[in-house]
Parts: sequence; C-alpha cells; structure tokens
Amino acid sequence: KAGVTQTPRYLIKTRGQQVTLSCSPISGHRSVSWYQQTPGQGLQFLFEYFSETQRNKGNFPGRFSGRQFSNSRSEMNVSTLELGDSALYLCASSSSSTDNEQFFGPGTRLTVL
Amino acid sequence: AQKVTQAQTEISVVEKEDVTLDCVYETRDTTYYLFWYKQPPSGELVFLIRRNSFDEQNEISGRYSWNFQKSTSSFNFTITASQVVDSAVYFCALSEGGADGLTFGKGTHLIIQP
Repeated sequence: KAGVTQTPRYLIKTRGQQVTLSCSPISGHRSVSWYQQTPGQGLQFLFEYFSETQRNKGNFPGRFSGRQFSNSRSEMNVSTLELGDSALYLCASSSSSTDNEQFFGPGTRLTVL
Repeated sequence: AQKVTQAQTEISVVEKEDVTLDCVYETRDTTYYLFWYKQPPSGELVFLIRRNSFDEQNEISGRYSWNFQKSTSSFNFTITASQVVDSAVYFCALSEGGADGLTFGKGTHLIIQP
C-alpha cells in the first residue's frame, strides 16, 4: 500500500507570493490533516479535512486555507507569503479522524525569501 | 487547553544503553489519546504507538516500551539496548477525542553514539 505523498518536496517563493501544496493520502483514508513545523514553534496543527469538509482548524491566520477533493486528495494554500511561513509542511492521513493513527508524508519544505 | 511537555531537549547516550524519554501532558478531557512519533533526519514522522485514556496497560514492542500513568499525567518511552539507528527526534502528542488535531511536544533529540 502506497504511503502518503506530498508534492512538491521543496519550494522556494518570495514574500507576497502565494503557494499551493498537495497531499495524496493513503488509499482508503478519508481524513487529511496538515501541520506546520518550524524550529521555533515546533509542530502545529493547521486544519483537518474529512469527506471534503473542514472539520477542525488550528490557530492560524486566514492566509492559510485548504480543501479536499472527492478522491480525498487535499491541497493547502498560503497567500501573501511572509518570511515566517518558511517551514516544513506535513500532511497526515488517517482512516477516520485525528484520534486514530495518523500516517505522515515526507513533507514539503517551503522557503520564503 | 491541552499541552504536551517534553522537558528533555536532547539526550546523548552510548549504544546499548537504555534510555527513557519523558512526556507529561495536560488535558481537561477524560477521553483523550496519546501518541509517540519518531522523526529521522529525512523528516517524515513515523508512527510508533497510540494509547487511549482508558488503557493504562504498559506496552512493549521489541526494544521499545511505554509507561502510561494517569496519576502523574505521563506517557514515557523507553528504548532498551539502544542502537545508532534509533537516533532521531521523538515527539509525544495528544489528541482530545479528535478535536483540534494533534498537540505535539517540542520533541527530544536522541543521539546514540557508537
């Protein structure tokens, strides 16, 4: 069974631009969660999608948004990038919800210049 | 609010030593879930274990064992006879019945020296 895949793996953007990251969950998994990892703040929950609906949301500004498609694939978008958005963005999938085992992808390393 | 504390920022031991990683959590819920993840240098988080708040039985999986004590709000992780391949950052995490995703501790960087 293929694991969680994330594309692209690395991304370099400049301030003010926007970016879209993609995540394909494990086949059969309907829940996709996104996390931001930075050296200062550690791992922080962004949001969770289940059956195309955002079910939970962390404490991030509205510049961070996401969506989920009918095949459970998910995208997250960050608009008006700031230097502080430089981070490793991790996607996790689980069969039903965040209290089940979440399987993480390799992450997308975003650098904002 | 939920919180996870991993007081040990970095631990360095010599191969074959036993090592315990501490995790203390805070939650107001009676139903919650605790997790441990391993993050090797590649960056991908690897799931190790999940425990729910009603199951205080200790768990052993090979060289890994976990001690869950509700009385002290702790969920500690022990590696017996450590190996160089165990070197990684280990995260403890908490979920309150699925709400608001996982709350992670800051992680413990474990270095196993040959």
